[in-house]
Amino acid sequence: KQEVTQIPAALSVPEGENLVLNCSFTDSAIYNLQWFRQDPGKGLTSLLLIQSSQREQTSGRLNASLDKSSGRSTLYIAASQPGDSATYLCAVYKGTGANNLFFGTGTRLTVIP
Amino acid sequence: NAGVTQTPKFQVLKTGQSMTLQCAQDMNHEYMSWYRQDPGMGLRLIHYSVGAGITDQGEVPNGYNVSRSTTEDFPLRLLSAAPSQTSVYFCASRGQGLLSGELFFGEGSRLTVL
Repeated sequence: KQEVTQIPAALSVPEGENLVLNCSFTDSAIYNLQWFRQDPGKGLTSLLLIQSSQREQTSGRLNASLDKSSGRSTLYIAASQPGDSATYLCAVYKGTGANNLFFGTGTRLTVIP
Repeated sequence: NAGVTQTPKFQVLKTGQSMTLQCAQDMNHEYMSWYRQDPGMGLRLIHYSVGAGITDQGEVPNGYNVSRSTTEDFPLRLLSAAPSQTSVYFCASRGQGLLSGELFFGEGSRLTVL
């Protein structure tokens, strides 16, 4: 079974700092990887989807990279803001079946004003 | 564009009661799924569907039924609620091919079973 790990489980940073969230997976034979954001009491919002043939995706202050050979993805957040405070989850698409998505347990980010 | 819509947002049940959580998407997505999210357990797949008339079990299907009569709707039925089913339930859908499409989630349904 694919194991997806996100370390640390929680992170606090001062406003304005650049930060990196990590996602590791045990099986490098994945198709795609998706980063989500979850606010308390809310659903998951898609941030970035990295296709199998891509190495990174960018959206505004967010940049996600994917290194399948090392089993790692990083989500870079530039110039963090208090509104970035949320839980960030990564999910990897593995295998050819429809039941092929494996989630990490998330990193809870707090940006302190 | 409404995306994925779940109802109700909150529900309290007594042990043994049955109910249906509704999920609808307006993106013409083939793939729909139900997850439950529990503290320390992450997201776990309950059931999923790859198209109308086709459903299959995920990781934790016991105690739940699903059906997919239309592309848009994918209801989740709790047959006889148990306290262990207290959780937050999320419906999700994706298209663009089953392997790679971006996954979209509803806002969630918080269920408490007393």
